[in-house]
Amino acid sequence: ILNVEQSPQSLHVQEGDSTNFTCSFPSSNFYALHWYRWETAKSPEALFVMTLNGDEKKKGRISATLNTKEGYSYLYIKGSQPEDSATYLCATLMDTGRRALTFGSGTRLQVQP
Amino acid sequence: ETGVTQTPRHLVMGMTNKKSLKCEQHLGHNAMYWYKQSAKKPLELMFVYNFKEQTENNSVPSRFSPECPNSSHLFLHLHTLQPEDSALYLCASSQDLFRVLGDNSPLHFGNGTRLTVT
Repeated sequence: ILNVEQSPQSLHVQEGDSTNFTCSFPSSNFYALHWYRWETAKSPEALFVMTLNGDEKKKGRISATLNTKEGYSYLYIKGSQPEDSATYLCATLMDTGRRALTFGSGTRLQVQP
Repeated sequence: ETGVTQTPRHLVMGMTNKKSLKCEQHLGHNAMYWYKQSAKKPLELMFVYNFKEQTENNSVPSRFSPECPNSSHLFLHLHTLQPEDSALYLCASSQDLFRVLGDNSPLHFGNGTRLTVT
């Protein structure tokens, strides 16, 4: 994997369903991974910053895990609500001298009431 | 007012116009960024400033000219743009430049300027 890849591109679930999506990244030179939530007509908002292999972070019904050896992170939403509808972006910071984040294309989540 | 504020929210300009996008952050951050999002593409880094000094130019065409007069303000001056430059331009800030040792705080974004070049 050369870039940050997110899957699926979009997802439709019913209210109450639990869901998860994936962020894949190059496992070499990894330093940190960020997750952001981006609601329509608003600004992207940080959810988690993760650096260590095996990291797990939680914020309410949303949690994330990190596997730096195999180069992936999962974002989980338990009991999805309509207000969770947004695009979820992941971004990586690599130890390559470039001191800025590289973003994936995002997963667009739509939660139907 | 807190956070990162961008103006204008929407901008329509002709290819011969000159316009500027403005970003202001009230968070006391030292690093500021311009990102571009074109349809169906990831956020693409354009410029990075740290303590008013440009630290990264991601091979951006010279028709985009950034200016950072102080750590709180960032401008993007636009001239002789092309229709393919139509996109959402997002400003962001962080406490400091990202580094590979030590903790890093996340980016704080503005709402963006939706630019249409006709």
